[in-house]
Amino acid sequence: GQNIDQPTEMTATEGAIVQINCTYQTSGFNGLFWYQQHAGEAPTFLSYNVLDGLEEKGRFSSFLSRSKGYSYLLLKELQMKDSASYLCAPMDSNYQLIWGAGTKLIIKP
Amino acid sequence: GAVVSQHPSRVICKSGTSVKIECRSLDFQATTMFWYRQFPKKSLMLMATSNEGSKATYEQGVEKDKFLINHASLTLSTLTVTSAHPEDSSFYICSARQDRGWDTEAFFGQGTRLTVV
Repeated sequence: GQNIDQPTEMTATEGAIVQINCTYQTSGFNGLFWYQQHAGEAPTFLSYNVLDGLEEKGRFSSFLSRSKGYSYLLLKELQMKDSASYLCAPMDSNYQLIWGAGTKLIIKP
Repeated sequence: GAVVSQHPSRVICKSGTSVKIECRSLDFQATTMFWYRQFPKKSLMLMATSNEGSKATYEQGVEKDKFLINHASLTLSTLTVTSAHPEDSSFYICSARQDRGWDTEAFFGQGTRLTVV
């Protein structure tokens, strides 16, 4: 079957760095997305990895290892506005996104 | 990035009535659009995949006659919740897929908060 595993909740301090891990099992693979979702709002796109390695985009970076079925999202210089849920979503062979429950990130001053 | 517009953002309707939600890709053509439903503190649940010019593909457990999906053009898909009941109250999100040859990306609409009273 298809499965996504990420921590349910994480807490970090403003200004710090946090890494949100994601392991996945899918039927085929066509890349992996990370989305940010604030409460009550639609998810917004953060990153897309299709090749192994690290993609850096400002304060956010995303890493992918296809052989391990593993990805992480790294957030640097955390700000209070980064408090949100972060969704790891791999795309299967049918180009369908597979969603997990997401990781709720709480930023404390 | 590409823009997907979803309308309305909030709607309150009476039990037994029908509600139509529109999803438009504003600056790209989307042959495929997805409709999701999200319950509080739960994951997004894919309801159906909408393909332009053909019938939607519904996920198991989703009632086709209750959630009518139409994808009449490359920029518009609609979801109609028919004979709405309070248990249909939820957050509905559409996503449009943009295939750019070298990669693909899915963009989300703003979501629609449906409350059935």
